[in-house]
Amino acid sequence: KQEVTQIPAALSVPEGENLVLNCSFTDSAIYNLQWFRQDPGKGLTSLLLIQSSQREQTSGRLNASLDKSSGRSTLYIAASQPGDSATYLCAVRDSSYKLIFGSGTRLLVRP
Amino acid sequence: DTAVSQTPKYLVTQMGNDKSIKCEQNLGHDTMYWYKQDSKKFLKIMFSYNNKELIINETVPNRFSPKSPDKAHLNLHINSLELGDSAVYFCASSQDSTAQNEQFFGPGTRLTVL
Repeated sequence: KQEVTQIPAALSVPEGENLVLNCSFTDSAIYNLQWFRQDPGKGLTSLLLIQSSQREQTSGRLNASLDKSSGRSTLYIAASQPGDSATYLCAVRDSSYKLIFGSGTRLLVRP
Repeated sequence: DTAVSQTPKYLVTQMGNDKSIKCEQNLGHDTMYWYKQDSKKFLKIMFSYNNKELIINETVPNRFSPKSPDKAHLNLHINSLELGDSAVYFCASSQDSTAQNEQFFGPGTRLTVL
């Protein structure tokens, strides 16, 4: 059974710092991995989608990497801003085509 | 706006009632999903429809019945609501059911059962 874990559960950093969010999954037989952002009381916004054949994807200040064999992904946020404060969710599309989510990392970027 | 939309945004109701949540996507996608986010913030798949046909049905009480009148709509009907049904329900869609496709989520419906 696929399980997705995100570490840390919460993170507080001063504005301007570069930071890394971690995601690990137990079964490497995945189709892709998707990073989402969730603001309080809001829906999910898709940030990056990495297919299983890819190693990384970039969008603006965000860079996501995927190491399928070791069951790990990282989301790198450069030059963090207060507007980046949100919960970041990692999800893998597993062999049964289901999207399996981690519990998220709550990020607070302090001005 | 091209998006996945849900109504209502908030739903407060008594135990035992029957309620529905509606979802619509205007992205031209073939596949739609319902997810439940519990109080611990875990998101779990409940159902998935592809072109109006059920393709994923997780272990969900049969009080929950999805209905897809057309491929742009996937509604969720819940009978005999229980306290444990309180959660945020998210609708999502993707181009089709192939695994490579990105999923796009609606804003969620916060259901509170009293």
